[in-house]
Amino acid sequence: GAVVSQHPSWVICKSGTSVKIECRSLDFQATTMFWYRQFPKQSLMLMATSNEGSKATYEQGVEKDKFLINHASLTLSTLTVTSAHPEDSSFYICSARGWTGLSQETQYFGPGTRLLVL
Amino acid sequence: QKEVEQNSGPLSVPEGAIASLNCTYSDRGSQSFFWYRQYSGKSPELIMFIYSNGDKEDGRFTAQLNKASQYVSLLIRDSQPSDSATYLCAAYSGGSNYKLTFGKGTLLTVNP
Repeated sequence: GAVVSQHPSWVICKSGTSVKIECRSLDFQATTMFWYRQFPKQSLMLMATSNEGSKATYEQGVEKDKFLINHASLTLSTLTVTSAHPEDSSFYICSARGWTGLSQETQYFGPGTRLLVL
Repeated sequence: QKEVEQNSGPLSVPEGAIASLNCTYSDRGSQSFFWYRQYSGKSPELIMFIYSNGDKEDGRFTAQLNKASQYVSLLIRDSQPSDSATYLCAAYSGGSNYKLTFGKGTLLTVNP
């Protein structure tokens, strides 16, 4: 399957700092990228959808000024958690959608980033 | 509100048996359906997708789609302990934002 990378895989930071997470589609061009958050034992929660060169579309209840998304190219999207607080501690997973040689445009997930805010 | 429903489980099957995972969806306009597997502590990985009525086979996995009944299933033949994971069903309805609607997942346990 197609490869989506995410960096870093782990972040531990102090409350009030900002954290940047990178997501790259390595072997295909992503028409759309998605950012999800998942708390332990809970379902995936979509935070926002982004297309290259345009503003992200945020899901209801997600603060766009707190979770800044930049989709700089067809292979790179970044999520910045600004002024992170302990309640932002979670598993952040990016996902990229594109044509990968299959008969259907398909969405693949990155390995995720665990954020722990102290 | 588009919804995808899955039995949360846990579904427990013995090694070597067929595991049957089911999913229903509310939006009749849904065009294609995806099955993902998520191991504990990991991100989801794509198993297969289906968009035509009927069966689609890939190795030990068979996806089944019945659009009239708005029903999708995933069969895992010769289940192995390594298949123990949460299986997520997702529906794609088209539209400008291309997002998938996910079910909450079914936890499968394959007992040796």
